[in-house]
Amino acid sequence: DTAVSQTPKYLVTQMGNDKSIKCEQNLGHDTMYWYKQDSKKFLKIMFSYNNKELIINETVPNRFSPKSPDKAHLNLHINSLELGDSAVYFCASSQDRETLNNEQFFGPGTRLTVL
Amino acid sequence: LAKTTQPISMDSYEGQEVNITCSHNNIATNDYITWYQQFPSQGPRFIIQGYKTKVTNEVASLFIPADRKSSTLSLPRVSLSDTAVYYCLVGDITGFQKLVFGTGTRLLVSP
Repeated sequence: DTAVSQTPKYLVTQMGNDKSIKCEQNLGHDTMYWYKQDSKKFLKIMFSYNNKELIINETVPNRFSPKSPDKAHLNLHINSLELGDSAVYFCASSQDRETLNNEQFFGPGTRLTVL
Repeated sequence: LAKTTQPISMDSYEGQEVNITCSHNNIATNDYITWYQQFPSQGPRFIIQGYKTKVTNEVASLFIPADRKSSTLSLPRVSLSDTAVYYCLVGDITGFQKLVFGTGTRLLVSP
């Protein structure tokens, strides 16, 4: 009964390929996020969706496109992969804006390696 | 979000109390202070959150002075499994919180 799950856990691919990472949460949360943690361990937010609506879109190349088919899923599609995209990508979720404690629950991460 | 400053690393031994201090001089009136823990190869995990004075849960305590320009995460009697990176975050939790993680403090607990 994993709260926030991601697939795949590891992804190795060639430059120029297109890949997707899937995320699902079974916590009934309304908000989901994608974060990127680079080799220096800096963790930065990329996107946030609330009830399938894009809320936060940081300065991320448009090769990255999040898709939320329903509020329990937020997938990340990456086109034309580049070496610099190699990182660990974390999905997270939290309850809606009405809650006082906006604790975020993170998935196990997807380690993407672009060769 | 208010910028935070933490020590890059700390060392401790099993059974000791560890205090990690975070500076946030520009904290705003509506900002809360939140701490996350990240083990290697895992996503961050919420530890504790507070606004002022002292907050305690089953994992840690959070001490916040009256001026709120700093906060201290206290881990009682650490064990080897407490070896992790600890992040201090400050921000407004009403609405959609965009967590901004700094470099964190890498805590190493030795036998």
